Amino acid sequence: DSGVTQTPKHLITATGQRVTLRCSPRSGDLSVYWYQQSLDQGLQFLIHYYNGEERAKGNILERFSAQQFPDLHSELNLSSLELGDSALYFCASSEKPGTTITDTQYFGPGTRLTVL
Amino acid sequence: AQKITQTQPGMFVQEKEAVTLDCTYDTSDPSYGLFWYKQPSSGEMIFLIYQGSYDQQNATEGRYSLNFQKARKSANLVISASQLGDSAMYFCAMMWLGGSEKLVFGKGTKLTVNP
Repeated sequence: DSGVTQTPKHLITATGQRVTLRCSPRSGDLSVYWYQQSLDQGLQFLIHYYNGEERAKGNILERFSAQQFPDLHSELNLSSLELGDSALYFCASSEKPGTTITDTQYFGPGTRLTVL
Repeated sequence: AQKITQTQPGMFVQEKEAVTLDCTYDTSDPSYGLFWYKQPSSGEMIFLIYQGSYDQQNATEGRYSLNFQKARKSANLVISASQLGDSAMYFCAMMWLGGSEKLVFGKGTKLTVNP
């Protein structure tokens, strides 16, 4: 158990809908990262928050947004869902802001999103 | 651009034997970190081992060791005394200074341990 929690574990929804994925980092970690894992794209970085502030963006669609709250949990909002958004979404956390090469990211169990 | 290459889509090993999973990387940045993660069929990503670009010694964590050859830009994972529970996908990943604080992953290697 990495100490990172994600809810829900599974989510099934329809095209055009909006969903919210939730992540709680390990105790003491200030950084939260979101990744998407799909069969065709592999593991892709979406976005990084550190202590409530957005730090870096990756290949995140405009239909997707995220935030990190004062209690450090984070939410990833996916809207106008398409079939291609079906994937495993991971949250990872680390202690530091990601500015050192020793900053290990610990992953949550993931949320499996299925868009029908 | 930084890239991780795992050339073995699948590997098979007999229980109790050692296995090496290959990883090569491409970066011009002198400061980087290399990570290996295990993803069992249940889906979670488990951190296994880390190697920094300035580390003089190869990293070891229990049955996992990293064969780091900086000049060849390779960071192969060695699993000794394989167990049935080692059957999983294994991903090599890299982060680097100035890399937007993200991990870049390879496509993974599926390891099957046979009894």
